[in-house]
Amino acid sequence: AQKVTQAQTEISVVEKEDVTLDCVYETRDTTYYLFWYKQPPSGELVFLIRRNSFDEQNEISGRYSWNFQKSTSSFNFTITASQVVDSAVYFCALLYMDSNYQLIWGAGTKLIIKP
Amino acid sequence: DAGVTQSPTHLIKTRGQQVTLRCSPKSGHDTVSWYQQALGQGPQFIFQYYEEEERQRGNFPDRFSGHQFPNYSSELNVNALLLGDSALYLCASSFEGFNEQFFGPGTRLTVL
Repeated sequence: AQKVTQAQTEISVVEKEDVTLDCVYETRDTTYYLFWYKQPPSGELVFLIRRNSFDEQNEISGRYSWNFQKSTSSFNFTITASQVVDSAVYFCALLYMDSNYQLIWGAGTKLIIKP
Repeated sequence: DAGVTQSPTHLIKTRGQQVTLRCSPKSGHDTVSWYQQALGQGPQFIFQYYEEEERQRGNFPDRFSGHQFPNYSSELNVNALLLGDSALYLCASSFEGFNEQFFGPGTRLTVL
């Protein structure tokens, strides 16, 4: 079965701390995509990254970085030097490519950055 | 350039009624996906429309149906509403499938 697990329901850190959000996925497919989305208090989901299953290279974008490890079926997201504006719910999602491909979402991690 | 727009913003219905939600995709996008997001949960994929046809569908009953128009806008219809249908309904547009999706602000449906 296809599944995405975000075990951390809520994380609270003080501004400028680094924080890592965990994402563990399950799929039998060899071809799949992983996504991270941000949902700020305003409610609109914002795309952060898409990674395909054949590209395990880590990615860095400013203060954001992603660590994809197929050996542990994980796609973790790290925010360096967190800021109050990073406060949001973050979702990890899996797109698997069988005959009825669809996007499976984790339950989300609520990140609270305190000033 | 307008992003994804949805209407209405909020809606209150009673059990058994029918509802239609609307979505206009971002300019240049040809694919519209619909999601249901219950409070405190991740979105659940309902279905995706491309070239005016339903291309993929999640695990939702036939009470949930949709349509895509030639201008790529889309409607989500829900018949015989249940209390459990109360949720935020999100529309996302993209170019050719599940690439980078742009989401609208959602329609908050409350079923009493």
